[in-house]
Amino acid sequence: NAGVTQTPKFQVLKTGQSMTLQCAQDMNHEYMSWYRQDPGMGLRLIHYSVGAGITDQGEVPNGYNVSRSTTEDFPLRLLSAAPSQTSVYFCASRAIGTLEEFSNQPQHFGDGTRLSIL
Amino acid sequence: KNEVEQSPQNLTAQEGEFITINCSYSVGISALHWLQQHPGGGIVSLFMLSSGKKKHGRLIATINIQEKHSSLHITASHPRDSAVYICAVRRGLSGSARQLTFGSGTQLTVLP
Repeated sequence: NAGVTQTPKFQVLKTGQSMTLQCAQDMNHEYMSWYRQDPGMGLRLIHYSVGAGITDQGEVPNGYNVSRSTTEDFPLRLLSAAPSQTSVYFCASRAIGTLEEFSNQPQHFGDGTRLSIL
Repeated sequence: KNEVEQSPQNLTAQEGEFITINCSYSVGISALHWLQQHPGGGIVSLFMLSSGKKKHGRLIATINIQEKHSSLHITASHPRDSAVYICAVRRGLSGSARQLTFGSGTQLTVLP
């Protein structure tokens, strides 16, 4: 199993450009999420999904769109990139199981995408 | 004040030393995670705790629910343990409470 695969690993964009960060997992996990990591701020949740066709906003959703057409894929779209979106982006997935089991499911992270907006 | 506070922010140790990283949180939780982020950026889940203590090799994690505090210990530290260690909490089992709230991390450097 490949786990959680993120592409690209690095990207430089100009302000106003659009792009899609790809995330795929092969573990049949229902729950997928996108985080951004900025110095001194820890990981912050952008959007998440609890299954195909279901997405919801996290802590910092503005400027980002997501969709979940399949269980495996959870792309993150920047419609009009801004310098404030310069960050490292992580995709993660986990199984949901029952409500009681959810807390005991490990979170699997991708290797991250380092994005710079000029 | 952040819901999850870690200390210290930076820690430098000599190889072989016993290391403790602390995590305090201000909300009720259903689970606490310790994560390790390698210098290359990859993040690995080390422990998930809801009570008591867990041990994997040289790593030990403890949690005190009443005091809202967890510690990550590394025995016989080694330079390969150098990484950022992140504490994260989950407040509940349903809805937005299932999301993880992360501390800002502790940068550990172990010198040979």
